[in-house]
Amino acid sequence: ETAVFQTPNYHVTQVGNEVSFNCKQTLGHDTMYWYKQDSKKLLKIMFSYNNKQLIVNETVPRRFSPQSSDKAHLNLRIKSVEPEDSAVYLCASSHGLGGDTQYFGPGTRLLVL
Amino acid sequence: AQSVTQPDARVTVSEGASLQLRCKYSYSATPYLFWYVQYPRQGLQLLLKYYSGDPVVQGVNSFEAEFSKSNSSFHLQKASVHWSDSAVYFCALSMITNAYKVIFGKGTHLHVLP
Repeated sequence: ETAVFQTPNYHVTQVGNEVSFNCKQTLGHDTMYWYKQDSKKLLKIMFSYNNKQLIVNETVPRRFSPQSSDKAHLNLRIKSVEPEDSAVYLCASSHGLGGDTQYFGPGTRLLVL
Repeated sequence: AQSVTQPDARVTVSEGASLQLRCKYSYSATPYLFWYVQYPRQGLQLLLKYYSGDPVVQGVNSFEAEFSKSNSSFHLQKASVHWSDSAVYFCALSMITNAYKVIFGKGTHLHVLP
């Protein structure tokens, strides 16, 4: 049973719009992540948070911003979407850092027209 | 620079055959290494992981992997594959010296012929 929940499953929007994706984990983990997976399945870390503190912030466009209200939630906002933002966005969580297993949500598929 | 290389983008095997999916890493310190599997329209799931100890680690669903420091490799193996093993397999490296950042290989698409 999925313990990392993502909404929406799928989102279609126009260039320039703002979108927001939600992620919630019920595992009691301290660390959460956002990944971008492109059409070739290539995975890239975007952000990671540990105890609500930003740990990793890869070189992503400034229109992307993570939002963490508590340890169980990590949302992703894209201020003005571009066509190259079309991808699957995967949220994950882990107990801590390092060698801890990451548990992934099913992903949010974004299509920018 | 740190990296994870999965040299085979696609692998096709017949059901019942043995399998090896290759993974090479580049990292100067002791690595945390993982294999994850992604089924269609799903997130990734852990198969197994390694940090220290016995270089052969057992995972779920009869998968195992062997760590080789000398070869900088962490190959995934299974003695007899099933059609349900068809999926994308990712090798991943977690780096102690870089805020535990995790980098993934490009993935290997496994297609098992029934």
